[in-house]
Amino acid sequence: AQSVAQPEDQVNVAEGNPLTVKCTYSVSGNPYLFWYVQYPNRGLQFLLKYITGDNLVKGSYGFEAEFNKSQTSFHLKKPSALVSDSALYFCAFSSGGSYIPTFGRGTSLIVHP
Amino acid sequence: ETGVTQSPTHLIKTRGQQVTLRCSSQSGHNTVSWYQQALGQGPQFIFQYYREEENGRGNFPPRFSGLQFPNYSSELNVNALELDDSALYLCASSPGQGSEDTQYFGPGTRLTVL
Repeated sequence: AQSVAQPEDQVNVAEGNPLTVKCTYSVSGNPYLFWYVQYPNRGLQFLLKYITGDNLVKGSYGFEAEFNKSQTSFHLKKPSALVSDSALYFCAFSSGGSYIPTFGRGTSLIVHP
Repeated sequence: ETGVTQSPTHLIKTRGQQVTLRCSSQSGHNTVSWYQQALGQGPQFIFQYYREEENGRGNFPPRFSGLQFPNYSSELNVNALELDDSALYLCASSPGQGSEDTQYFGPGTRLTVL
């Protein structure tokens, strides 16, 4: 079955340090990959997506992600974390055969002051 | 904030009852999807509507049904509520039904079934 995996339930990072939230995918064909963020008691907000082209995708709030086909990964990164980045992050995919996005289980990012 | 709104914010029902949740899509969007997000889980796709027609369905029983109206607002109906239906229900609109389209989510409706 096609899926995305977020191997870490929680990521802890100190404010000002770089952060990485991991996502790997198992999708046949060419996937479309997304990152969304969810703050407490809120809906999901779109951060960025990879459709085609440049493997490095820049998104909202200083986040970026790199599509790595050989490693089937789409890790979310930010050079300098803020306490306000603390939230739940979801990786998702869709593909030409299934336009419905499928979400990972989520990773809780905690940025310590 | 997206332009997607949902009502009500919270709802408490008892097992066996029926519930209707409502969603107003972002202006210009003709596609709406509904998701169930259980505590500690990612959103699970329920179904999608495109121009008032059901366009795809996830692994949910028929007691989960929906409607999309000409103004592209939408309803999710759940009959014969079960305890496991307790979750955050998210509505998301998108400008089209393509795989590459971004989903714009509303704030959700928290449903508790007692």
